[in-house]
Amino acid sequence: DAKTTQPNSMESNEEEPVHLPCNHSTISGTDYIHWYRQLPSQGPEYVIHGLTSNVNNRMASLAIAEDRKSSTLILHRATLRDAAVYYCILRDVRRAQKLVFGQGTRLTINP
Amino acid sequence: DARVTQTPRHKVTEMGQEVTMRCQPILGHNTVFWYRQTMMQGLELLAYFRNRAPLDDSGMPKDRFSAEMPDATLATLKIQPSEPRDSAVYFCASVTDRTPKNIQYFGAGTRLSVL
Repeated sequence: DAKTTQPNSMESNEEEPVHLPCNHSTISGTDYIHWYRQLPSQGPEYVIHGLTSNVNNRMASLAIAEDRKSSTLILHRATLRDAAVYYCILRDVRRAQKLVFGQGTRLTINP
Repeated sequence: DARVTQTPRHKVTEMGQEVTMRCQPILGHNTVFWYRQTMMQGLELLAYFRNRAPLDDSGMPKDRFSAEMPDATLATLKIQPSEPRDSAVYFCASVTDRTPKNIQYFGAGTRLSVL
């Protein structure tokens, strides 16, 4: 499985944008980039995913580098409720729906 | 809101006892995953099923763990006998392959403590 590298932790302030980086230098052409997050005492939840183009949804934006070796999850205006562990995961479309979780980035939001 | 339901939410048991955890996937979802989360190892995939057939259980200790889907609305994970090192949060997730997004929906987990 292609590996991702994320910072262990990040901190931001409420109502400010947050940019969560992810490196995946060994990404293959069949890997989708998925982001999930896990709020305290809950199961992970889907945030966003993409293949080559930048993506936006109601929760966040995903910016993918042109060479696909890195990506950034953007929370446009963080709230206290966004404090969570954020996981960047590569999913190979050839391997069914299997996800392999790394350690993620623990995001702290200051009021 | 459709959701994955796991029971029990918490389980405390003694070493050597059998533990059964249950998962009700979202109606219509045909693939079910079992994960285990600990502080040391993070989130690990134990096993998954598609259309009730086991696809991959390579992450599961075979001697004491077993996973089944008796029907499309129920998945079970059993540990027999349980050991203190099995203490963890066990998550179930389900997904449908009827859409290309393949989003996994997770339950709230079963927190298991083996004394």
